[in-house]
Amino acid sequence: DAGVIQSPRHEVTEMGQEVTLRCKPISGHNSLFWYRQTMMRGLELLIYFNNNVPIDDSGMPEDRFSAKMPNASFSTLKIQPSEPRDSAVYFCASSLPGTGATEAFFGQGTRLTVV
Amino acid sequence: AQSVTQPDIHITVSEGASLELRCNYSYGATPYLFWYVQSPGQGLQLLLKYFSGDTLVQGIKGFEAEFKRSQSSFNLRKPSVHWSDAAEYFCAVLTGGGNKLTFGTGTQLKVEL
Repeated sequence: DAGVIQSPRHEVTEMGQEVTLRCKPISGHNSLFWYRQTMMRGLELLIYFNNNVPIDDSGMPEDRFSAKMPNASFSTLKIQPSEPRDSAVYFCASSLPGTGATEAFFGQGTRLTVV
Repeated sequence: AQSVTQPDIHITVSEGASLELRCNYSYGATPYLFWYVQSPGQGLQLLLKYFSGDTLVQGIKGFEAEFKRSQSSFNLRKPSVHWSDAAEYFCAVLTGGGNKLTFGTGTQLKVEL
C-alpha cells in the first residue's frame, strides 16, 4: 500500500496567487482529514470529510480556504488568494470506516511557502 | 476544552539511555489519548493509543505509555533509546465526537551518540 499521497511536496507561490494542494487517501478509507502545522499554532484540524461529505469545517481559517472531495480517492485544499501567513505544512490523513480519527494515517505533507 | 500539554519543548538523551516524554491532559471524562512521532520531512506515525482498560499501553518501536488518571498524565517511555528515535513526538487527545485529534505542541528529541 502506498499510503496517503500528497502533492506537491513543496510549493512556493507569490502572495495573491491561487494554491491547490492535493491528497489521495488510502484505498478503502472513507474518512479524510486536512491538518495544518505551523510553529505558532502547532497542528490544527482544518476540515474533516466522511464518505466524501464535509462533516466539520470549523477549523478552516477563513473564506480564502476551501476543500473538496469529489470522489473517494481524491481531495483538494485550495487557498485563493494566498497570503504569507498561510505558509505552513499541510497534512492530509485518512482512516478506515468506523475508526474516525482513532486510526488516522498521515501523508508526508505539503510544505507551502507564500512570498 | 479538551487539551493536552507537553511541558518539554526539547529533550536530549544519550543513545542507550532511557526516555520519558511528558504529556498532561485536560478532560472531564476518560480521554482517548495518542502518541505520534514525526521524523524530519515526514508525516505523523501513530506509536500507540489508550482508550480504556490496562493503563500501560505497548506501542510500536519499543515504546510504551502509562495512563495515570490521578496525575492526568500519559507519559511516553522507552527503556533504551536508539539514534533513529530522534524526531518530534506529539501527544494528542480525541475530541469532536471522535473525529478530531487535538495535538500538543510537541517535544523535539535529540539523541547523542
